Amino acid sequence: QVQLQQWGAGLLRPSETLSLTCAVYGGSFSGHYWNWIRQSPGKGLEWIGEINSSGMTRYNPSLTSRVTISVYTSKNQFSLNLTSVTAADTAVYYCARANFEYSSSSDYWGQGTLVTVSS
Amino acid sequence: QSALTQPRSVSGSPGQSVTISCTGTSSDVGGYKYVSWYQQHPGKAPKLMIYDVSQRPSGVPDRFSGSKSGNTASLTISGLQADDEADYYCSSYAGSYSWVFGGGTELTVL
Repeated sequence: QVQLQQWGAGLLRPSETLSLTCAVYGGSFSGHYWNWIRQSPGKGLEWIGEINSSGMTRYNPSLTSRVTISVYTSKNQFSLNLTSVTAADTAVYYCARANFEYSSSSDYWGQGTLVTVSS
Repeated sequence: QSALTQPRSVSGSPGQSVTISCTGTSSDVGGYKYVSWYQQHPGKAPKLMIYDVSQRPSGVPDRFSGSKSGNTASLTISGLQADDEADYYCSSYAGSYSWVFGGGTELTVL
């Protein structure tokens, strides 16, 4: 059974850097891409970006200047850094597995981390 | 890259069928077969219900079906059950290795 467990700071000041980490338990880590997706309060989902075990990344064009996704293959972990945050970055952030068997749709998700940006 | 357009809410009675639409452009929904649908209950992470427009992952009931015509994809839920009450999101490949989601539809089972 695949499980994703995520953690990171939940309260940030404007201009700080958001940092989250996601650990993957079970299943193959190297055989998939790994997503970060966020959901602003009362709003829809937004794809942030993805990474594979080799470190190849793909980012949402609207966030690419502020986003870095990194992978730590030996630990089966990957992380998200989002710089210069503002109130607009307040959201629940999810990590998820992009399964090639499902054409890279996300079939396993972390529990979500609420990140609030406030002065 | 704009969000896909979904109705804010739909409703139906137990046993009935409902359809949720997801409208994009020829650069996303209309251009690829990679449309997915997710179900999200309050306070929970989304759950994959449909991928590749009409395919169901293992474990998803066949009451859930998907289709696409032009730039609009649709999710149909037949034989509505109380537990189907949730938010539903569509997603599409948008080219250049990027993905876009819809704004979500709240399904109420009357």
